Amino acid sequence: GAVVSQHPSRVICKSGTSVKIECRSLDFQATTMFWYRQFPKQSLMLMATSNEGSKATYEQGVEKDKFLINHASLTLSTLTVTSAHPEDSSFYICSARDGSRGNQPQHFGDGTRLSIL
Amino acid sequence: AQSVTQLGSHVSVSEGALVLLRCNYSSSVPPYLFWYVQYPNQGLQLLLKYTTGATLVKGINGFEAEFKKSETSFHLTKPSAHMSDAAEYFCAVSDTDKLIFGTGTRLQVFP
Repeated sequence: GAVVSQHPSRVICKSGTSVKIECRSLDFQATTMFWYRQFPKQSLMLMATSNEGSKATYEQGVEKDKFLINHASLTLSTLTVTSAHPEDSSFYICSARDGSRGNQPQHFGDGTRLSIL
Repeated sequence: AQSVTQLGSHVSVSEGALVLLRCNYSSSVPPYLFWYVQYPNQGLQLLLKYTTGATLVKGINGFEAEFKKSETSFHLTKPSAHMSDAAEYFCAVSDTDKLIFGTGTRLQVFP
């Protein structure tokens, strides 16, 4: 149980393109989803917390207009990297929590490798 | 504020040897603690978690961790390493909403 599906797994596109990444909880309802960015050989950096039906909460230093997050249903959150540039190249990982309490674990997708040329 | 420190960015063991990955936490409230494993180019998989109750927690793949409040530690162990255990391991502490990750420990297993 507790499977999170993330698509696409890899994206290569030109500078200036907008890229959408989907995160789905397949067998549970996720009121809260999280988006992380991971640089090579580093830990995960939380970008934003996504709550179903409300605006996402962004971490300090993360541009809201650059990284658009939508959480339209209890099983789907999307991250859109708008007008992507080479510095946006990274590994993006989503997670979903089955419940609203901090003692419940987050379940992670397999990540999206974004490469901007 | 909560934080996690993982001592040792790299740990190398021989196949069949004991695995010990260290994690110390800082928290002003009773912590929720987690260990995750990440294989190359993949997301994170939950190994085990501590919330309340028994301080020795058993997880998947033969791993276990012991919550020691007096030492503010939550070290991950496995009696006998397998080649397939080679991966990146992250310790994390949770406040009411977010996960705070350590910097990770890369485990190498030699034949």
